[in-house]
Amino acid sequence: KQEVTQIPAALSVPEGENLVLNCSFTDSAIYNLQWFRQDPGKGLTSLLLIQSSQREQTSGRLNASLDKSSGRSTLYIAASQPGDSATYLCAVNTEKLVFGKGTKLTVNP
Amino acid sequence: DTAVSQTPKYLVTQMGNDKSIKCEQNLGHDTMYWYKQDSKKFLKIMFSYNNKELIINETVPNRFSPKSPDKAHLNLHINSLELGDSAVYFCASSPGQGYADSPLHFGNGTRLTVT
Repeated sequence: KQEVTQIPAALSVPEGENLVLNCSFTDSAIYNLQWFRQDPGKGLTSLLLIQSSQREQTSGRLNASLDKSSGRSTLYIAASQPGDSATYLCAVNTEKLVFGKGTKLTVNP
Repeated sequence: DTAVSQTPKYLVTQMGNDKSIKCEQNLGHDTMYWYKQDSKKFLKIMFSYNNKELIINETVPNRFSPKSPDKAHLNLHINSLELGDSAVYFCASSPGQGYADSPLHFGNGTRLTVT
């Protein structure tokens, strides 16, 4: 059974800092891995999707890496801004998405 | 111009009642999903439909019955509501075959409270 863990559960940083969010999964037989952002009272917004054959994906200040053999992914956020404050969820695809519990990020002005 | 829209946004009801949540997407996607996010913020898939056909049906009580009249709509009907059904229910869609092979687009959720 696939299990997804995200560390840390919460993170508070000053504006401008570079940061890394971690995601680990127990079964490396995945099709892809997706990172989402969830704002309070809102749905999830897809940030990045990494196919199992890829090592990383970039979008603006976001960079996600995937090491399938070790069951790990990281989401790197450069030059963080208060608007980045949200909960970030990692999900691995084994014909259905299995989600982690998320990392709640607070970026302080 | 909302891509995935759910109604209602909030739903408060008593135990034993029957209620429905509606979902519509205007993205032209072939696949739609229902997810449940519990009080611990844990998000789990319930159902997935591809072109009106059920393709994923997780271990969900029979009281939950999805209905897809066309590929742009996926409604969720819940019979005999229980306290444990209280959660936020999210509808989502994707252009793929139904196995999350492309990014999902989520609605804003329906917060169901059963008293």
